[in-house]
Amino acid sequence: DGGITQSPKYLFRKEGQNVTLSCEQNLNHDAMYWYRQDPGQGLRLIYYSQIVNDFQKGDIAEGYSVSREKKESFPLTVTSAQKNPTAFYLCASSIWDTPINTGELFFGEGSRLTVL
Amino acid sequence: DAKTTQPPSMDCAEGRAANLPCNHSTISGNEYVYWYRQIHSQGPQYIIHGLKNNETNEMASLIITEDRKSSTLILPHATLRDTAVYYCIVRANYGGATNKLIFGTGTLLAVQP
Repeated sequence: DGGITQSPKYLFRKEGQNVTLSCEQNLNHDAMYWYRQDPGQGLRLIYYSQIVNDFQKGDIAEGYSVSREKKESFPLTVTSAQKNPTAFYLCASSIWDTPINTGELFFGEGSRLTVL
Repeated sequence: DAKTTQPPSMDCAEGRAANLPCNHSTISGNEYVYWYRQIHSQGPQYIIHGLKNNETNEMASLIITEDRKSSTLILPHATLRDTAVYYCIVRANYGGATNKLIFGTGTLLAVQP
């Protein structure tokens, strides 16, 4: 089945350690996104990528890094510079925006990161 | 970017219609209204979107006022599985990424048995 797969679903790390969250899609989508969600809050955009080998900062990019070496993969690294990394992380993808298509976002099931 | 305002929570009896309002008074002419929902600890799910005409699909109906300053999502026969946070979003342009969607805090719909 086509979809977006995030892993791991749950992750525990010690403070000061970098951690990489995986996001893979087989929908042949051009654009991919990373959002962060804190308890009782909406989603905030961390990074997005419209095409392979290109990505842009979102609203809260500090302390995070990404790469887009392949169309189907968009891993997110939470670095030790991120002050409050404990959160629910969501990856999404969409086809390239055209006048016909309005770019519905497809989300993964999320990765819950807890920093001890 | 146009902002949206939604009530933080609503209740609905099972089997009845759920009407979720959204205000977007600063929406511009080429911005769409999107609705997504998020069941607890899962990724958001697309429901429906529209520009100015009313829209209906197998999940819901979207009613947009003529001045486009507000809209209502209608779930015609709510079930317990419809309990979720519902997000009303106006599509934004940001640095060329026209798919960027800004999610607020949404409305928590609690369907009661």
